[in-house]
Amino acid sequence: NAGVTQTPKFRVLKTGQSMTLLCAQDMNHEYMYWYRQDPGMGLRLIHYSVGEGTTAKGEVPDGYNVSRLKKQNFLLGLESAAPSQTSVYFCASSYAGGPNEQFFGPGTRLTVL
Amino acid sequence: AQTVTQSQPEMSVQEAETVTLSCTYDTSENNYYLFWYKQPPSRQMILVIRQEAYKQQNATENRFSVNFQKAAKSFSLKISDSQLGDTAMYFCAFMKDEGAQKLVFGQGTRLTINP
Repeated sequence: NAGVTQTPKFRVLKTGQSMTLLCAQDMNHEYMYWYRQDPGMGLRLIHYSVGEGTTAKGEVPDGYNVSRLKKQNFLLGLESAAPSQTSVYFCASSYAGGPNEQFFGPGTRLTVL
Repeated sequence: AQTVTQSQPEMSVQEAETVTLSCTYDTSENNYYLFWYKQPPSRQMILVIRQEAYKQQNATENRFSVNFQKAAKSFSLKISDSQLGDTAMYFCAFMKDEGAQKLVFGQGTRLTINP
């Protein structure tokens, strides 16, 4: 099992550009999450999904959109990147009916110039 | 809203020593769960230990144990016989007892184990 994978691992964008981060899990988990990690602030929840076709806002959703068209994939989109979105992005997944451990991907380091 | 506070940005101890990382949280919930995650230089988040609020007994996983004080809303992590591989960022996290299982993280403590 690959667990939780994230694509890409690194990316540099210019202000105003768009991109999509892909998260994939092969554990048949129902729940998936996107977090961002900034120095001194820990991880903060951007969006999450409790099942295929469903998404919900987390603590810091502004500037991001998500989609979960397939159970195993959770996409995070930046329509118009801003320097404030420079961060490390983590995807996580877990079984439903918790509380269950969240399994994290390796992270994507995004720099917006 | 729940908040989690880790008041020690950095700590450093010698190998084989015991170290305690502090975590406090604020919530009006009665049922919840607490976690400690480790993030080594590889950046991979790894679950270290978890505690159910309804359990009075403190959780233990090998060299890792917690001191859970529900009334004080305190959840510290003790690492015994520390090893070089324990060098990492440690995050305390809170989860409400509700369907979405969302985690609220503290700011993290950078722990360095010196040889």
